[in-house]
Amino acid sequence: DGGITQSPKYLFRKEGQNVTLSCEQNLNHDAMYWYRQDPGQGLRLIYYSQIVNDFQKGDIAEGYSVSREKKESFPLTVTSAQKNPTAFYLCASSSSGTGGWEQYFGPGTRLTVT
Amino acid sequence: AQSVTQPDIHITVSEGASLELRCNYSYGATPYLFWYVQSPGQGLQLLLKYFSGDTLVQGIKGFEAEFKRSQSSFNLRKPSVHWSDAAEYFCAVGARYGGSQGNLIFGKGTKLSVKP
Repeated sequence: DGGITQSPKYLFRKEGQNVTLSCEQNLNHDAMYWYRQDPGQGLRLIYYSQIVNDFQKGDIAEGYSVSREKKESFPLTVTSAQKNPTAFYLCASSSSGTGGWEQYFGPGTRLTVT
Repeated sequence: AQSVTQPDIHITVSEGASLELRCNYSYGATPYLFWYVQSPGQGLQLLLKYFSGDTLVQGIKGFEAEFKRSQSSFNLRKPSVHWSDAAEYFCAVGARYGGSQGNLIFGKGTKLSVKP
């Protein structure tokens, strides 16, 4: 089955540690996205990537980093510089065939930093 | 700047009753509009989308939405709600971001509770 996988589902880290969230898709989509979701805040765009080896900052990129070495993979690193990293993180992808508008989402990773 | 407003944070309806979730957008051109649903602790699932043409669009799970340009609205409706519809619903508008790439701007969501 085609889809987007995110691992792990729950992640716990100590303050001051970097942590990397995994996102893999087998939909052959060109574009991939990372969103952060906080209660009552909706989804906010962290980073997005249109093609391999290229990515752009979204609205809340500070304290995060990404890489796009393969079409299927778009890992997100939450660095120690992110002041409030505890949140639910969602990865999405879209096909350039639909103009990139229709995004498909993974199941999410809930990160807790203490 | 583009934006999406969902005026209702939380709505409770009885099972079998009709439902309407409100969405207002701000966008200079003809928008691409979406409704997504999210069950607790899960990702988002696309319910329906509007790109052009007929302003009444049908989606999955018996949902429909109507695009009204004059009111800048894209309200989601369902004639008879089922207990399994309890979830959070997000309206989104497609916007150009950093060039030709299409990105979505989301509203803050409306949580739907269903009474038996």
